[in-house]
Amino acid sequence: DVKVTQSSRYLVKRTGEKVFLECVQDMDHENMFWYRQDPGLGLRLIYFSYDVKMKEKGDIPEGYSVSREKKERFSLILESASTNQTSMYLCASSRGGSGNTIYFGEGSWLTVV
Amino acid sequence: QKEVEQNSGPLSVPEGAIASLNCTYSDRGSQSFFWYRQYSGKSPELIMFIYSNGDKEDGRFTAQLNKASQYVSLLIRDSQPSDSATYLCAAPFQKLVFGTGTRLLVSP
Repeated sequence: DVKVTQSSRYLVKRTGEKVFLECVQDMDHENMFWYRQDPGLGLRLIYFSYDVKMKEKGDIPEGYSVSREKKERFSLILESASTNQTSMYLCASSRGGSGNTIYFGEGSWLTVV
Repeated sequence: QKEVEQNSGPLSVPEGAIASLNCTYSDRGSQSFFWYRQYSGKSPELIMFIYSNGDKEDGRFTAQLNKASQYVSLLIRDSQPSDSATYLCAAPFQKLVFGTGTRLLVSP
C-alpha cells in the first residue's frame, strides 16, 4: 500500500512564526503535492513538484514555499504564519506524468493564533 | 480555467436506496476521472477511477462516464449509513483538479 506520512498532525502556532510541515512517501513517486482544504472551498493546490528540486506553483502559492531535496520528502514552509492560514493541509503523491491516482496523507491541522 | 463542478448537497437518501452523485468537467481532452470519499476530519481516499465511456462497477459502486456530455457520475447501490461522507470528483488538467465535493447523508 502507498503510504504518505505527515509527521505533524495538529499544530498551534503564533502569528509571525515560521512553520514547517513535513511529508514523506514510500512508493518512489515522482509527483508530490501540497493542498489546503477549507469548508466550502474544497481542495486547493498550493505547490507541486515533479522531481527533486523542482517545484511549480499551484493555485494559491502566496505566503508559502516548498522544498524537495529528496525524492521521498516534500516540505511546506509558511515563512510568517498568519491567521488566514489556519486550515487543514494535505500532502499527496502520485506516479510521474498526469492523470495518475493521487494518494493523500492523513492531513495536518494548523491553527494560527 | 479548467473546472470540475459538483453540487455541494447535502444529498439525503434512506438506507438501502441508490445514491447518485454527479460531476461535470470543462475539458473535453480529459481522459481519466477519479472519485474520492472523504469522511469528516479525514483525508480523501480513492474509491475508483474510470477512463472509458460507459460504466465501471466495483462492488456497490458504479462509475459512469459520458465524454460527449462531459459528465461523470457515481452510483452507490444499497446505501449504508457508513457511506455518509463527502464525495470528491477529480479530473486531470495537467495536474488533478478536484471538485468541491458532494455531501451524502444516508439515514437509517
